[in-house]
Amino acid sequence: SSELTQDPAVSVALGQTVRITCQGDSLRSYYASWYQQKPGQAPVLVIYGKNNRPSGIPDRFSGSSSGNTASLTITGAQAEDEADYYCNSRDSSGNLSVFGGGTKLTVL
Amino acid sequence: EVQLVESGGGLVQPGGSLRLSCAASGFTFSSYEMNWVRQAPGKGLEWVSYISSSGSTIYYADSVKGRFTISRDNAKNSLYLQMNSLRAEDTAVYYCARDGPAATVTSYYFDYWGQGTLVTVSS
Repeated sequence: SSELTQDPAVSVALGQTVRITCQGDSLRSYYASWYQQKPGQAPVLVIYGKNNRPSGIPDRFSGSSSGNTASLTITGAQAEDEADYYCNSRDSSGNLSVFGGGTKLTVL
Repeated sequence: EVQLVESGGGLVQPGGSLRLSCAASGFTFSSYEMNWVRQAPGKGLEWVSYISSSGSTIYYADSVKGRFTISRDNAKNSLYLQMNSLRAEDTAVYYCARDGPAATVTSYYFDYWGQGTLVTVSS
């Protein structure tokens, strides 16, 4: 079982703001990174560290963390943001990597 | 341009072996830690294994420990995953992924991914 817990599905109206969360004890010590995956494609990094976006990722994507919960926020969701989103961090040992179960985002 | 290209996937019988390769280009391969991540059909991402830039430090997920072996050849800019004693539950798309260069002791991430290679374990 995953040490990082995500809601299986979230929906948002076009142009509205949505928050996708990731919970786990290791998040008290490690930042989460976030990946977007569209059907038939490889995952793409969208947020890492405290709140860093790789080049080419729109600034409507942002990250935050509080206690044992990391969040990915999309401000003004677009149709192209419909995808699966995965958080990733370290496990409790600090040596092994672990993914959350993923959240399927639907843009209505 | 950073490129990671996996190969070696295919159909294998339970108990069989397969060796995956990941050819890297567009960056100094020997300076980066690398990983294998897999995704079973219709399922989420699962981290499989990590290898440091020199190959001196290696970690495995519990689900593959003792059966899979990660290695690298920095002279050939290549990453490998030797998979033995394969099981039906190992059926997945296998991705190689690069550790991000700005990683710190509290922040790890995978900045580039290959397109994946499909491994099917079935009789």
